[in-house]
Amino acid sequence: DIQMTQSPSSLSASVGDRVTITCQASQDITHYLNWYQQKPGKAPELLIYGASNLQTGVPSRFSGSGSGTDFTFTISSLQPEDIATYYCQQYDNLLRFTFGPGTKVHIK
Amino acid sequence: QVQVVESGGGVVQPGRSLRLSCAASGFTFNTCAVHWVRQAPGKGLEWVAVISDDGSKKYYADSVKGRFTLSKDNSKNALYLQMNNLRTEDTAVYHCARDRRMGGYETIDLWGQGTMVTVSS
Repeated sequence: DIQMTQSPSSLSASVGDRVTITCQASQDITHYLNWYQQKPGKAPELLIYGASNLQTGVPSRFSGSGSGTDFTFTISSLQPEDIATYYCQQYDNLLRFTFGPGTKVHIK
Repeated sequence: QVQVVESGGGVVQPGRSLRLSCAASGFTFNTCAVHWVRQAPGKGLEWVAVISDDGSKKYYADSVKGRFTLSKDNSKNALYLQMNNLRTEDTAVYHCARDRRMGGYETIDLWGQGTMVTVSS
């Protein structure tokens, strides 16, 4: 089974800061990597699919990159409404999904 | 309105059973695979299971394999998760979630708010 790791597990940044989260897969997953945002008490929402494609309606300050085993998620200018936990997620050819452990983003 | 709504959660003793339901509306249910994803209190997301659009293929996480069973009734736009031999570690909010293929990539693009399952003696 493919394992996903994320770092950091939490971070604190100021409004306007650039925030970067990394996600690593235990084996090559090409671009089969999505990113979700989960705000407290809410269901998750899809932000990025296929490693770098922005979901419709998602602000352009969010972006993703990477392929193979190493991926990066970036918020170019952190906003107060971005307080959330962010999860990477991969899948296999049977549609079995695996989520990373999550990164909790706080405002400093 | 495009949505999925879960029901059937509650408090149950270890070893007992529970059946969760997911009601879909506003989209063509029989063209979608559907997942269950759970989240234990204060913890991260854990994928539980997926069923194909026609209900013929089902895959489960190792943690629930042999205990949980998925079924899909496209005539009723409904999905069911039969959970048997429940354990305390199954305590979580269970989300029904629509799979959607975007640009050649599989995603979950629609989530329900979830139903809480508590397994406790």
